[in-house]
Amino acid sequence: EVQLVESGGGLIQPGGSLRLSCVASGFNFSSNAMSWVRQAPGRGLEWVSDISSGGGSTYYADSVKGRLTISRDNSKNTLYLQMHSLRAEDTAVYYCATVRSRAGRFDYWGQGTLVPVSS
Amino acid sequence: QSVLTQPPSVSAAPGQKVTISCSGSSSNIGNNYVSWYQQLPGTAPKLLIYENNKRPSGIPDRFSGSKSGTSATLGITGLQTGDEADYYCGTWDSSLSAAVFGGGTKLTVL
Repeated sequence: EVQLVESGGGLIQPGGSLRLSCVASGFNFSSNAMSWVRQAPGRGLEWVSDISSGGGSTYYADSVKGRLTISRDNSKNTLYLQMHSLRAEDTAVYYCATVRSRAGRFDYWGQGTLVPVSS
Repeated sequence: QSVLTQPPSVSAAPGQKVTISCSGSSSNIGNNYVSWYQQLPGTAPKLLIYENNKRPSGIPDRFSGSKSGTSATLGITGLQTGDEADYYCGTWDSSLSAAVFGGGTKLTVL
């Protein structure tokens, strides 16, 4: 069974930094591209970032480019999202997901981790 | 403002059929596959339809997808109260070089 478990969320002040993690199991993590998708409270889904299976290629939404960095450690079956210069509009539940990159198709999703950005 | 346009809400009685539309442009739906996601209250989204009309293993055939030009449609037959959820369409936008979603449609089974 595919499992994706996010962690690292929590209240953070504007301008602060946070690192989210997503531990994967039940599939060949190192062969799959991965993604972060977020959902602001009461709002729709917003794609944030993709990373290729080997980690050599990364892609970002314009809204987070330069502030958020996606990475992965295939030896630990773990996906990361390093977040800097956080803004109130970054407040959301952050989901990790397996992705068919450049296709907008997200096959499996984690349960999400909430990141409230507020003073 | 979402790149893809969905109706905010739809409703129908148990046992009936409902369709949810998703409208885009040539840079997204017109030239890329469409996926659909179901988000039950308080849970993560779940892939319902991929490549316009294919169902992942375990998704009942009550759910169907279609695409024509720059629009896509999700159909649900034999509605059940457990189908009450938010439904999102998604695809790749070649001009934006980004995955894009519709704003979501809330399904109410009366």
